[in-house]
Amino acid sequence: DSGVTQTPKHLITATGQRVTLRCSPRSGDLSVYWYQQSLDQGLQFLIQYYNGEERAKGNILERFSAQQFPDLHSELNLSSLELGDSALYFCASSAWDQKDTQYFGPGTRLTVL
Amino acid sequence: LAKTTQPISMDSYEGQEVNITCSHNNIATNDYITWYQQFPSQGPRFIIQGYKTKVTNEVASLFIPADRKSSTLSLPRVSLSDTAVYYCLVGWGGADGLTFGKGTHLIIQP
Repeated sequence: DSGVTQTPKHLITATGQRVTLRCSPRSGDLSVYWYQQSLDQGLQFLIQYYNGEERAKGNILERFSAQQFPDLHSELNLSSLELGDSALYFCASSAWDQKDTQYFGPGTRLTVL
Repeated sequence: LAKTTQPISMDSYEGQEVNITCSHNNIATNDYITWYQQFPSQGPRFIIQGYKTKVTNEVASLFIPADRKSSTLSLPRVSLSDTAVYYCLVGWGGADGLTFGKGTHLIIQP
């Protein structure tokens, strides 16, 4: 158990819809990261937050957004969903000075029909 | 961000020692080398991290030569449960975040 929690575990929705994925970091970690993993793209970094502020942005689509709240949990919002958005979405957390040592949650499997 | 090259796949047998080598010729002075393990449909799990020479923990050892242009993850006495994808990463990519690449698919047979 990494200490990072993600909900829901599975999510099935239709094209055009909007969903919110939730992540709670390990106790004491101020940095949260979001990743997308699909069969053909591998594990792709989406975005990083540190103590509520966006710090790094990777291959995140404009239809996707994220935020980190004062209690440090984070949410990833996916809108206007397309079939190609079906993937595993992972959240990870780390201490600020150890960005390359991340602890991953169990993931949310999103299926867009 | 240092690019890494590692074998696409490897196989071995239970009880054997497995060594997975990663090349990272353009590693920066401040970069650490980190290895992750991922089982199907699970998040990657941090295994070990090092800067130079040898690091050992309860799971694996990491050997890094003096020039730091490569590293070797050593898994002692593997079991079937070590079948997974192993990723070698170097440093933090800033706006690119952690770049996982394709990893090495390790298959352990009875």
